[in-house]
Amino acid sequence: GAVVSQHPSWVICKSGTSVKIECRSLDFQATTMFWYRQFPKQSLMLMATSNEGSKATYEQGVEKDKFLINHASLTLSTLTVTSAHPEDSSFYICSAVTSGESGELFFGEGSRLTVL
Amino acid sequence: GQNIDQPTEMTATEGAIVQINCTYQTSGFNGLFWYQQHAGEAPTFLSYNVLDGLEEKGRFSSFLSRSKGYSYLLLKELQMKDSASYLCAVKDSNYQLIWGAGTKLIIKP
Repeated sequence: GAVVSQHPSWVICKSGTSVKIECRSLDFQATTMFWYRQFPKQSLMLMATSNEGSKATYEQGVEKDKFLINHASLTLSTLTVTSAHPEDSSFYICSAVTSGESGELFFGEGSRLTVL
Repeated sequence: GQNIDQPTEMTATEGAIVQINCTYQTSGFNGLFWYQQHAGEAPTFLSYNVLDGLEEKGRFSSFLSRSKGYSYLLLKELQMKDSASYLCAVKDSNYQLIWGAGTKLIIKP
């Protein structure tokens, strides 16, 4: 199947700093990528839909100024958590959708963010 | 509103069969997905159903009834490594994925 790579897989940062997470589709072009966060023992929560060459569409309740998303190319989307706080500590997962009838979704490995 | 329901947790024995149910109420339907997620890892794709009936893939099978808004994931010959959460997700009329909360499956020897 298609491969989506996410980096870094885990990061620890100090409160007030910014952290960038990259999501790459390695063997296909992804015009659309999705960013999720997942708290322990909970399901995925869609944060935003990232479309190549245009502004991301954020879900209700997600601060666009805090979670900056850039989808500059067909194979790369980035999520920057700005001025991170301990409550931002979570598991962040990206996914990319392939073309075709099923529009199958492939996930990156996830990035675990811990804000001290 | 849109809603996906699946049991929170299930327990089964190694070597046995388990069925995880998923019912949905969504604005439109463009396919149903099942994903497996091990703790601390990202979900991995298991199956996709868009037409009624059973799709078999090795030890895993997925069934869909669109008229009933119902699907199940059937796991046979359970192995300890099948212990994971199983997420049901439906693509609605806007092609947005609506996620269930997941079913945690515990396999006992």
